[in-house]
Amino acid sequence: GQQLNQSPQSMFIQEGEDVSMNCTSSSIFNTWLWYKQDPGEGPVLLIALYKAGELTSNGRLTAQFGITRKDSFLNISASIPSDVGIYFCAGPLSGTYKYIFGTGTRLKVLA
Amino acid sequence: NAGVTQTPKFRVLKTGQSMTLLCAQDMNHEYMYWYRQDPGMGLRLIHYSVGEGTTAKGEVPDGYNVSRLKKQNFLLGLESAAPSQTSVYFCASTQWAGDTQYFGPGTRLTVL
Repeated sequence: GQQLNQSPQSMFIQEGEDVSMNCTSSSIFNTWLWYKQDPGEGPVLLIALYKAGELTSNGRLTAQFGITRKDSFLNISASIPSDVGIYFCAGPLSGTYKYIFGTGTRLKVLA
Repeated sequence: NAGVTQTPKFRVLKTGQSMTLLCAQDMNHEYMYWYRQDPGMGLRLIHYSVGEGTTAKGEVPDGYNVSRLKKQNFLLGLESAAPSQTSVYFCASTQWAGDTQYFGPGTRLTVL
């Protein structure tokens, strides 16, 4: 099935560093969603983007809706140990009720 | 406001047994979804519903059935469980197509 391409797949960073990850698609999206999933839990929404070019922040997290509408970016500033987890991008397929998900970026923070 | 809840949280079945997973949402959402999550595979859509009394197939529907008799509930059934159905199952809901999806905490199912 169709999936969004996320990169990097995983990353180790030092506490206090900034983190960047992105999500790309061959299709245009009208909405981009970013989720975080902790072990044994369901995905929790971090940021939702609804307009091309939009830049939205949620605390130390900032996400951008790419101008081409085929990509999105998530940045985490000054990472802390509780940022550990898997980050997913997602978006609804235009003209359908279905959503597709990225393969995830696994983040590990070294104290 | 509990959001999306799922029961049970864990279950172990033997091959051939049946079971039903329950998803409930208290946000009055129209759309509900069942996904399975496997290592390295991401979230894959099993079935979904666009309103009470409706259901539709997703990406991997074989071996599963669903029902949406009440707007707030979406049931996922396995008639004859197989080891390939060992997975973590997530339910999600959204108010309208294209809006934010909200997820439940998941059900971890093991089929022996």
